[in-house]
This record gives sequence, C-alpha cells and structure tokens, in this order.
Amino acid sequence: EAQVTQNPRYLITVTGKKLTVTCSQNMNHEYMSWYRQDPGLGLRQIYYSMNVEVTDKGDVPEGYKVSRKEKRNFPLILESPSPNQTSLYFCASHTVMGGPYNEQFFGPGTRLTVL
Amino acid sequence: QKEVEQDPGPLSVPEGAIVSLNCTYSNSAFQYFMWYRQYSRKGPELLMYTYSSGNKEDGRFTAQVDKSSKYISLFIRDSQPSDSATYLCAMRAYTGNQFYFGTGTSLTVIP
Repeated sequence: EAQVTQNPRYLITVTGKKLTVTCSQNMNHEYMSWYRQDPGLGLRQIYYSMNVEVTDKGDVPEGYKVSRKEKRNFPLILESPSPNQTSLYFCASHTVMGGPYNEQFFGPGTRLTVL
Repeated sequence: QKEVEQDPGPLSVPEGAIVSLNCTYSNSAFQYFMWYRQYSRKGPELLMYTYSSGNKEDGRFTAQVDKSSKYISLFIRDSQPSDSATYLCAMRAYTGNQFYFGTGTSLTVIP
C-alpha cells in the first residue's frame, strides 16, 4: 500500500529536550515536505526537499532542522523544542515526474506538545 | 497580509444542499490550485487540482478559478454527511516549490 508514515503519532516532551520525528514514504517520490498545522493559521510549510541531499526552507523554518540522506526518509529535528512548537505536524510527498499535476500524499500527523 | 485567505467557518448545511467554499489570494504568480479534504484526526487528501483559470468538474465537485479576481471556489452538489470535513485550498506558482495553504473551512452536513 502506497503511504507516508510518521512516528511517533503523539509526543509530549519538555522544553529543550532534542527530538526527532521520522517520516518515510514507499512511493519513490522525489519531493518531501514538512508542515505544521495550527488553529487559525492553517498548514504552513516548514522545510521541503526536492531530492536526496537537496533541502530548502519553507515559510516557518526557525527552530527546525531536516536532512534527506535517503530518498524515502525525511526526518524533522527539533534541537531545542520550545512551547511555541506545540502543534500538529504533517509530512507529505509527491513525485515531480511528468509535470506539476502530481498529488501530494500526506502522512497521518504527529501531535507534539512541548511543556 | 496572508498569501491565501480562507473563511474558517464553521459551515453547517442540510443534506442535499449546495455548498460553496472560497479562497482569495494575493500572489499573481500562483498558477496551480488545489482543494484538499481533511477528516478529523487524518492528514489532508487531494480532492481537486486545477491549472490557471476555468472550471473543473469531478462528480459532485466543481472547482472554479478566477485569476483576474484572485479567487477560487469549490462547489459541492447534493452534499452528503460523508462530506463533513475541513476543506483546505492550496496554491503554488509555476516556478518554485512551495505550497501555500488556506486555513481551512470546517463543513458539517446534517442528515
């Protein structure tokens, strides 16, 4: 089954404790992306990656890091989480082959609470 | 000013009603327009994808783009309780790799 998986699905942590949220896709997609979703603000893109070793900032990259060492994986790293990073996080992927009309597949989400 | 504006609702309609959902945007470079549906506790799923101006129909759903007004719409005919979800509009430019989303409109269809 074609899918994007994220782990963990729920995480409660404390300020300053480094954490990583993993994202993996099994569709051989080139493009992967991280979003956060907040009430009243909608989905905002944090980072995206066009392919292995190619990453770029989205709208709200501060406080986050990413890496793309393998095509299928795109982890999101919070080196020193703060309460304002409490949010619902989504990973997404799509292929760039064949033009721009490509569906972006989303993972199930990770609800992060930083105390 | 946000790149994409969307009325958050909530919107509540009786079953069988026609629903109209709308977004406005400020960036004239946006060429690709999408509507996503998000059920509670799930990730968004692509519903419709249109390019530039015009209409696109898919079953009970019709997407309209008016680039001159920087306005896009999603119409749902004969709405069903299973349509109850949050609907997000999204956009991207012809060049560039970022997606810009609206805040989402929460829709409830009452049986």
